[in-house]
Amino acid sequence: KAGVTQTPRYLIKTRGQQVTLSCSPISGHRSVSWYQQTPGQGLQFLFEYFSETQRNKGNFPGRFSGRQFSNSRSEMNVSTLELGDSALYLCASNQRTVQETQYFGPGTRLLVL
Amino acid sequence: AQSVAQPEDQVNVAEGNPLTVKCTYSVSGNPYLFWYVQYPNRGLQFLLKYITGDNLVKGSYGFEAEFNKSQTSFHLKKPSALVSDSALYFCAVRDAGTGGFKTIFGAGTRLFVKA
Repeated sequence: KAGVTQTPRYLIKTRGQQVTLSCSPISGHRSVSWYQQTPGQGLQFLFEYFSETQRNKGNFPGRFSGRQFSNSRSEMNVSTLELGDSALYLCASNQRTVQETQYFGPGTRLLVL
Repeated sequence: AQSVAQPEDQVNVAEGNPLTVKCTYSVSGNPYLFWYVQYPNRGLQFLLKYITGDNLVKGSYGFEAEFNKSQTSFHLKKPSALVSDSALYFCAVRDAGTGGFKTIFGAGTRLFVKA
């Protein structure tokens, strides 16, 4: 079974630009969660999508948005990038039923200059 | 609101000695509890979880954790540490009653195992 795929793995942008990150979950998983990891704030929950609907949302500004497609692939978008958006963005593929387990992808490292 | 505390930024242990990484949590309802490990420039790797049932949970690579409801703790343990266990460890909690996968993570504990 293939794991969680995140693209791109590395990204460099400048302030004011926008960026789109992609996540393909494990086959059969219909829920995807996104997290931002920074040295200062640690791992922070961004949002969760299930069957193309946002089910949970963290405390991030509206510049951070996401969506999920019918094949469960998910994208997150950050508009008007700020220096503080530099982080490792992790996607988790969520397994429901009694497993309740999240499987994380390798992450996309975003550097904003 | 959910929260997780990992009181130690860093834990140092000699190879072959037992290790403990501490975690306490707070949730409104019943907790789902998890431990993850992160190696440099990698994503999070699942170690073990407590969903229900036996309070002692065994996971990957010889790790185990004990769910203590009265102390709201879920400490990670291993009887004999290896140098290769050196990594960043995260404790995480999710409220079983809220639905979905809004998991809250602790700040992380860096484990150093010295040969």
